[in-house]
Amino acid sequence: QVQVVESGGGVVQPGGSLRLSCVTSGGSFAFSSHAMHWVRQAPGKGLEWVTTIWHDGSDQRFADSVKGRFTITRDNSKNTVYLQLTSLRADDTAVYYCATDWQHQAAPIYYLNYWGQGTLVTVSS
Amino acid sequence: DIQMTQSPSSVSASVGDRVTITCRASQGMNSWLAWYQQKPARAPKSLIYDTSKLESGVPSRFSGSASGTNFTLTITSLQPEDFATYYCQQYYRFPPTFGPGTKVDIK
Repeated sequence: QVQVVESGGGVVQPGGSLRLSCVTSGGSFAFSSHAMHWVRQAPGKGLEWVTTIWHDGSDQRFADSVKGRFTITRDNSKNTVYLQLTSLRADDTAVYYCATDWQHQAAPIYYLNYWGQGTLVTVSS
Repeated sequence: DIQMTQSPSSVSASVGDRVTITCRASQGMNSWLAWYQQKPARAPKSLIYDTSKLESGVPSRFSGSASGTNFTLTITSLQPEDFATYYCQQYYRFPPTFGPGTKVDIK
């Protein structure tokens, strides 16, 4: 059973920064073979894809709404992916979910098969 | 971007009912569509991928199908644990996009 656990959320002022972490464990899941994603959900709203990092960290993709403000990295030795949030705005307030890509050892296909419980980021003065 | 719409936005049903949720894509796409289930204050859970393939452990009362740009999630004989919000998501073209969700609640 693959477990995905996010951490690092909290309350931050507009313009501030935060770093989220996501660690996977369990089962036969080979973290270093899978792209990883972040998806967010504003309070009472639907799901919005945010960013993706390739399995080897060689490439990343971002939603237009966060491009230039968010950075995604990973440490395959620690089974961990990070999301650095900067220049935060009120509309970045959301639960941020980390999820695994189904594809193995290749570019992501953007089907998200394992999800974490999420971490809440609140941007407020 | 491919826009995904869902109908209905909410449905009230009873245990044992058959429920059908439709997801429509704004442009033609292949079968690269997934369905997720989300219960209140919980993470989304993947149910179906590639339009009709059930994830491991998902009950067979869930099924998916497609006709053109219309995709359907069907739950036969609704169970108490099925009351939740359901989202479709296309992964045919970048960026991946989700539908707005369909809430299934108790009549």
